[in-house]
Amino acid sequence: AQSVTQLDSHVSVSEGTPVLLRCNYSSSYSPSLFWYVQHPNKGLQLLLKYTSAATLVKGINGFEAEFKKSETSFHLTKPSAHMSDAAEYFCVVSSNYGGSQGNLIFGKGTKLSVKP
Amino acid sequence: DTAVSQTPKYLVTQMGNDKSIKCEQNLGHDTMYWYKQDSKKFLKIMFSYNNKELIINETVPNRFSPKSPDKAHLNLHINSLELGDSAVYFCASSRRRGDGEQYFGPGTRLTVT
Repeated sequence: AQSVTQLDSHVSVSEGTPVLLRCNYSSSYSPSLFWYVQHPNKGLQLLLKYTSAATLVKGINGFEAEFKKSETSFHLTKPSAHMSDAAEYFCVVSSNYGGSQGNLIFGKGTKLSVKP
Repeated sequence: DTAVSQTPKYLVTQMGNDKSIKCEQNLGHDTMYWYKQDSKKFLKIMFSYNNKELIINETVPNRFSPKSPDKAHLNLHINSLELGDSAVYFCASSRRRGDGEQYFGPGTRLTVT
């Protein structure tokens, strides 16, 4: 079965410092991986996606993620945090199995706090 | 224009009642979904619906039933509400089945008292 594990439930950074949100995946097949962001009391928005093209994926708002098959990781990074980045971030894998194909399997989320 | 909209945004009701949540997408997408987000922010797929084909997550109680009058709408009907149904419910859509790039609605916060 496919799954994702977000290694930190809460990450706190200062404004202007780098952001690293860690995610490991488990999949028997070449996975499709995503990062979604949820701002307080809002719906989810796609940040970026990996679908077996370039291993370094650039997303919106300056975020990027690198797919590392040898480490089964898909960590999300940003060089310089902004106050508006404070939100919940979800690492997601898309199911490749039968009737559930395309269904998203979510990690438990990482809450990013940004201090002034 | 809002791509995926849900109504109502908040829903407070008593145990045993029946309620519905409506979802509409104006993106021309073929597939729609319902997700449940619990109090710990964990998100889980409930249903996906594509071209009149319903895929049900086997863990969803049969008190929950999605209804799709047309491709742009997927409503969620819940019978005999229970305390444990309290959660935020998100509707989403994608261009086609199997597409992990999904567009989410703003959510409906359901509170069962």
